[in-house]
Amino acid sequence: QQKVQQSPESLIVPEGGMASLNCTSSDRNVDYFWWYRQHSGKSPKMLMSIFSNGEKEEGRFTVHLNKASLHTSLHIRDSQPSDSALYLCAASAGSFNKLTFGAGTRLAVCP
Amino acid sequence: NSKVIQTPRYLVKGQGQKAKMRCIPEKGHPVVFWYQQNKNNEFKFLINFQNQEVLQQIDMTEKRFSAECPSNSPCSLEIQSSEAGDSALYLCASSRTDYAEQFFGPGTRLTVL
Repeated sequence: QQKVQQSPESLIVPEGGMASLNCTSSDRNVDYFWWYRQHSGKSPKMLMSIFSNGEKEEGRFTVHLNKASLHTSLHIRDSQPSDSALYLCAASAGSFNKLTFGAGTRLAVCP
Repeated sequence: NSKVIQTPRYLVKGQGQKAKMRCIPEKGHPVVFWYQQNKNNEFKFLINFQNQEVLQQIDMTEKRFSAECPSNSPCSLEIQSSEAGDSALYLCASSRTDYAEQFFGPGTRLTVL
């Protein structure tokens, strides 16, 4: 059964700091990774997705993927209190396929 | 912003009662997913549809869960005989095509007393 492991479970960073979140899949069939953010009481909203080796940057968010190790990481620079949320990594394998979510990293950005 | 509509937002049922929730996917999104998020924030995929056809579903061995996406009507997820362990946030998501982002609705929070 596909498993997605996220670390750390929780993370506290100061306002303006860098937050780094990690995610690994154990399923060699995975071909797409997704990062979602879920604020308390809200539904998940996608931040970024990646399927090819390397790095992708959008504003303050950068995502890396190493396909050989099925490891992805999300980096948030200049963190803001509004970034405080549950960050979910999800993996999918194949077309129209379900997302398998990790347990999430709870990020707190302190002013 | 997601335009997936889910109703009701909150649902309270007694054990053994039927619970039904609905989802209207974003316009132009033929693929619909149902997920369950428990109080520990763990997600469980339940079923997905492309138009009216089931693509994948979990092994619902107890057969308490059923879902459909009829043409020109909202999709629905129904639990025939609710149990306390079914208390969770039920999230509906839709996507435009394969490998496209899944947009989530606000969810239906089910509480089984």
